[in-house]
Amino acid sequence: GESVGLHLPTLSVQEGDNSIINCAYSNSASDYFIWYKQESGKGPQFIIDIRSNMDKRQGQRVTVLLNKTVKHLSLQIAATQPGDSAVYFCAEPPNQAGTALIFGKGTTLSVSS
Amino acid sequence: DAGVIQSPRHEVTEMGQEVTLRCKPISGHNSLFWYRQTMMRGLELLIYFNNNVPIDDSGMPEDRFSAKMPNASFSTLKIQPSEPRDSAVYFCASSPQGGRSPLHFGNGTRLTVT
Repeated sequence: GESVGLHLPTLSVQEGDNSIINCAYSNSASDYFIWYKQESGKGPQFIIDIRSNMDKRQGQRVTVLLNKTVKHLSLQIAATQPGDSAVYFCAEPPNQAGTALIFGKGTTLSVSS
Repeated sequence: DAGVIQSPRHEVTEMGQEVTLRCKPISGHNSLFWYRQTMMRGLELLIYFNNNVPIDDSGMPEDRFSAKMPNASFSTLKIQPSEPRDSAVYFCASSPQGGRSPLHFGNGTRLTVT
């Protein structure tokens, strides 16, 4: 399944399917992006990051793709499991040096067995 | 590594009361952030400290909010007087290299102001 993080905030998939969570960013000068996972009752946890000199980065069951032409970022989760159910946020640094990450609104991923 | 530690986990208070939230960052991290999370507004940065010095407090809603970092291992966020619209989950996060490196979040304080 696919979602656009900012416009379709919920993605429902079956266990074992691949999930794709999308994120659009606005600052073409952003050079670093991070994906976070937030489970219920917990703080956001770092999943994976990517710098703008890369188009793709892979982790364990996760892949982040960066398309700078259209300012689009996606998080792909392979063989989605019930434990992947959470809210996923993309984040980018602000334009000014010395200030903090800016988080998107988040996409809720719901995995059913 | 104990992670970022926040206390209390839950706080229920009446309008007008003072509320103090506490945070212990990860040892060795020189940057600390306070965020507020609500359904309507998502995660909002309130204030950012680097080496115990406030760098960016533009997200602090108003004078009722204040934050301190007296040393590298402790920070507080105080709301005085509290109002029902302050109800939210407040997160503290730390990082080794400021706002351009991954943040490590605590599990938050859920504040309810009645």
